[in-house]
Amino acid sequence: DTGVSQDPRHKITKRGQNVTFRCDPISEHNRLYWYRQTLGQGPEFLTYFQNEAQLEKSRLLSDRFSAERPKGSFSTLEIQRTEQGDSAMYLCASSLADQGHGYTFGSGTRLTVV
Amino acid sequence: AQSVSQHNHHVILSEAASLELGCNYSYGGTVNLFWYVQYPGQHLQLLLKYFSGDPLVKGIKGFEAEFIKSKFSFNLRKPSVQWSDTAEYFCAVRVNYGGSQGNLIFGKGTKLSVKP
Repeated sequence: DTGVSQDPRHKITKRGQNVTFRCDPISEHNRLYWYRQTLGQGPEFLTYFQNEAQLEKSRLLSDRFSAERPKGSFSTLEIQRTEQGDSAMYLCASSLADQGHGYTFGSGTRLTVV
Repeated sequence: AQSVSQHNHHVILSEAASLELGCNYSYGGTVNLFWYVQYPGQHLQLLLKYFSGDPLVKGIKGFEAEFIKSKFSFNLRKPSVQWSDTAEYFCAVRVNYGGSQGNLIFGKGTKLSVKP
């Protein structure tokens, strides 16, 4: 058990549908990150929150993507009007804000758009 | 933009062989450096990290890495690999901009296969 939980583990959806993923970070971690990983690539940064504030978004995060962390605890990542190119593993990680810590990753949600 | 290069896409070794995986980054300022490992079917796990001080850092499972600032490198080493080290290894860099931190930037990963 990593301490960072992601749900669902797998999602198959038809092109054009909306999907939402959930991440529950380690409870005392105030930072939460979303990354995307495709085959043969390392994880690519999408966005991060400190408490409930979304502090940075990558240019990879198109208008179809939105993330929230309403109470500074769990977070959701929604993709609207999915495209085949959205197929990837979506990773969530959490950390403490101070410098001395790395990130703890969840097991990810694998999205397949058909 | 900052980037991380991992030179080897796939490394195949026999058990007991020595391992060195290369990692170079492209930022000239203050950085934090990490190696993560992903075993088949599992999540990313932190192997070791460098923030400051002794440039030779030791991590879990006998791994170590050396930060060479002049070469912008943070190579991962293990003197004798085991079959259980078969995994994908990711180097990652976090840039420090004065008092604030950037986000982790990952390399593309190196797949290690250890033959029993």
